[in-house]
Amino acid sequence: KAGVTQTPRYLIKTRGQQVTLSCSPISGHRSVSWYQQTPGQGLQFLFEYFSETQRNKGNFPGRFSGRQFSNSRSEMNVSTLELGDSALYLCASRLTLVTDTQYFGPGTRLTVL
Amino acid sequence: DAKTTQPTSMDCAEGRAANLPCNHSTISGNEYVYWYRQIHSQGPQYIIHGLKNNETNEMASLIITEDRKSSTLILPHATLRDTAVYYCIVRVARETSGSRLTFGEGTQLTVNP
Repeated sequence: KAGVTQTPRYLIKTRGQQVTLSCSPISGHRSVSWYQQTPGQGLQFLFEYFSETQRNKGNFPGRFSGRQFSNSRSEMNVSTLELGDSALYLCASRLTLVTDTQYFGPGTRLTVL
Repeated sequence: DAKTTQPTSMDCAEGRAANLPCNHSTISGNEYVYWYRQIHSQGPQYIIHGLKNNETNEMASLIITEDRKSSTLILPHATLRDTAVYYCIVRVARETSGSRLTFGEGTQLTVNP
């Protein structure tokens, strides 16, 4: 079974721009979560989507948003990029809301110049 | 979710067993112990989890003490590819707990040739 895939793997943007990242979960998995990883803050939870609905949200500004499609694929959008948004963005999927084991994708490395 | 304490770093010789400890003295009865690892700049990889019984899979063994206040992840024959940051996470598996995984600092395991 294929793992979690994320596209693109690398991205360079400039301040003020916006970016959209994509995540395809493991086949059959209905929950998709997003995390941000930076050297200073470590891994931080952004939000989780299940059945096209945001179920949980971390402590990030409204510039960070996401959505999930009927096929469980998810996108994450960051508007008005800041230098501090440079990070590894990770997507994780799990089978259901009760299943706790999450499987992570390889991540998208975003650099904001 | 209960707080965990792990050593900052550990070294292990290639081919030997790597024993990574984790203290979770405030764990409650319905909290599971999860282990993930992250190889540099890749997404975290699920290793194993358990509630109170020892668990083994193709990657590792998890030994949980009888009082459940600590656990040890064992990699039986460490290889250079096992060099990574290992995270011990304690959490409840229920629908309302959400997908948020709280990653601490983890243990940097370095396997030496």
